[in-house]
Amino acid sequence: EVQLVESGGGLVQPGGSLRLSCAASGFPFSNYWMQWVRQAPGKGLVWVSHINTDGSSATYADSVKGRLTISRDNAKNTLYLQMNSLRAEDTAVYYCTRMFWTGYPDYWGQGTLVTVSS
Amino acid sequence: EIVMTQSPATLSVSPGERATLSCRASQSVGDNLAWYQQKAGQAPRLVIYGASNRATGFPATFSGSGSGTEFTLTISSLQSEDFAVYYCLQYNKWAPYAFGQGTKLEMK
Repeated sequence: EVQLVESGGGLVQPGGSLRLSCAASGFPFSNYWMQWVRQAPGKGLVWVSHINTDGSSATYADSVKGRLTISRDNAKNTLYLQMNSLRAEDTAVYYCTRMFWTGYPDYWGQGTLVTVSS
Repeated sequence: EIVMTQSPATLSVSPGERATLSCRASQSVGDNLAWYQQKAGQAPRLVIYGASNRATGFPATFSGSGSGTEFTLTISSLQSEDFAVYYCLQYNKWAPYAFGQGTKLEMK
């Protein structure tokens, strides 16, 4: 059974940093592209970033470019999102998703809440 | 940057009736279009991929159509468990992705 379990969310002050993790199991993690999607409270889904199988290539939404960094550790079956220079507008539930080989997200974690506030 | 626009924002339909949700892309996305269902407090679930392929776990009452810039999700006979928010997503691994803003399907 495919499982994606996010962790690392919490309350952080504006300008602060946080690292999210997504532990994957039930499938060959190193064979799949992965991505992060976020959802502000009461708002819609917003794509954040995706990364290729070996971590050598990543793409970002303009709103997070230069502040958020996606990475992965295939030996640990874990996806990461390093979040720096956080702003109030980064407050959201962050979902980790697996990307089917043609590109669409097919499995989602339950999400982890990040709150940026003083 | 591709922009996805869903309509209507809210759709009120009675159980047993048909619901038709629309999604428009600002430029062609071919058939790289997926639909997701999200219920309150839950993660989204894949409903349709490749514009018209139904995902595991969804009945034949769900269907997707379209290509290029115009797409439709149809639920032919609404059940109580189908009332939720639906999002379309254009996907291309070599470029930024984009979700629509969502359509809330509510019971009339």
